[in-house]
Amino acid sequence: DTAVSQTPKYLVTQMGNDKSIKCEQNLGHDTMYWYKQDSKKFLKIMFSYNNKELIINETVPNRFSPKSPDKAHLNLHINSLELGDSAVYFCASSRSADTQYFGPGTRLTVL
Amino acid sequence: QQQVKQSPQSLIVQKGGISIINCAYENTAFDYFPWYQQFPGKGPALLIAIRPDVSEKKEGRFTISFNKSAKQFSLHIMDSQPGDSATYFCAGRGDSGYALNFGKGTSLLVTP
Repeated sequence: DTAVSQTPKYLVTQMGNDKSIKCEQNLGHDTMYWYKQDSKKFLKIMFSYNNKELIINETVPNRFSPKSPDKAHLNLHINSLELGDSAVYFCASSRSADTQYFGPGTRLTVL
Repeated sequence: QQQVKQSPQSLIVQKGGISIINCAYENTAFDYFPWYQQFPGKGPALLIAIRPDVSEKKEGRFTISFNKSAKQFSLHIMDSQPGDSATYFCAGRGDSGYALNFGKGTSLLVTP
């Protein structure tokens, strides 16, 4: 059974478009995250949600908006995509301060 | 601001050798230091982790050495195998929302 899943795995789109990435975890965790991995493989936290409430919002452009409909889901919506948004986006989850489990990633390419 | 500095950027080790990756951190509020392993096309997976009240932790061929006064920690992979070839990330967890602050990663290649 997949613990943390993301859809889609690949996303290719034009500049200016709006897109969403979905994340679901079946581990019963209460905290979910979005990380961005750039072309040099650097991983950086974007958002952290605990029990559906936003607890971390790093210096991410307002074009990025996370939405947590329930504790098992954390979706990422991106408006007006830019070339610099091209990256791999990872969703992760944890039971509070315990181990974070990462999803397989979504490779976003903005043309 | 890079809160966790990792070196080397890349490492080549012969099969059976010892791989050593070093990290240094600045934020003394970090309370948990995990190492993640990432294979191409996959998400990072926890390898081993340590808390700052412990100086060493060993799990199989993997050992973390931790020096709190120097604010440094390292990963040792004993008897390195070609299957260990991956990118390794160290991280520190602060007191804000459990987010991990990652080092820039080390690409390890173990040659047969």
